[in-house]
Amino acid sequence: SAVISQKPSRDICQRGTSLTIQCQVDSQVTMMFWYRQQPGQSLTLIATANQGSEATYESGFVIDKFPISRPNLTFSTLTVSNMSPEDSSIYLCSVEVGGLNTEAFFGQGTRLTVV
Amino acid sequence: SQKIEQNSEALNIQEGKTATLTCNYTNYSPAYLQWYRQDPGRGPVFLLLIRENEKEKRKERLKVTFDTTLKQSLFHITASQPADSATYLCAPGGDSGTYKYIFGTGTRLKVLA
Repeated sequence: SAVISQKPSRDICQRGTSLTIQCQVDSQVTMMFWYRQQPGQSLTLIATANQGSEATYESGFVIDKFPISRPNLTFSTLTVSNMSPEDSSIYLCSVEVGGLNTEAFFGQGTRLTVV
Repeated sequence: SQKIEQNSEALNIQEGKTATLTCNYTNYSPAYLQWYRQDPGRGPVFLLLIRENEKEKRKERLKVTFDTTLKQSLFHITASQPADSATYLCAPGGDSGTYKYIFGTGTRLKVLA
């Protein structure tokens, strides 16, 4: 199993500013995943972050808007840049410790409100 | 495009009954399918994974079936309890050998005491 600590748990931000979300895992993992969950919706994968390489972004998400860092095997950050109210959402990080195609563990999420 | 459908309506059942949740997918050929539970304000929690060569999987009061012909998975909770009230998400994955999976919109279950 894995324990994921995600910070902050919530924030209210002004439009045009940026917020960096941190994700710390209690074990080393190759891949970390960042999701967005908009109100009343399911999870949408933003990007996959491998240590030592550029993150791979899903269709509709770009690095300039959602830069990701992955400095080591237990930590990653996601930045939501130049925020607008449409970015209000829950952001979650996730890992699969048993290798690919196994169960995923999630952080508790960051609830972001942009005003 | 790929589509994962779960009952969007909330499901209310009486305590002690069996809850059955449905997950249908189209334009997708997952090699496995996962079910998660999500409580308000929390991240999803893994419950069960079933692979395409498995018809059924059980874990305590939970049972999952996977019918690749019907492109459907059913998730059952037997002897349901109010503590089972939550949103349940299905997540098929492994299509075309990829590692990614797509989450359904979830079904909100409420077990009435």
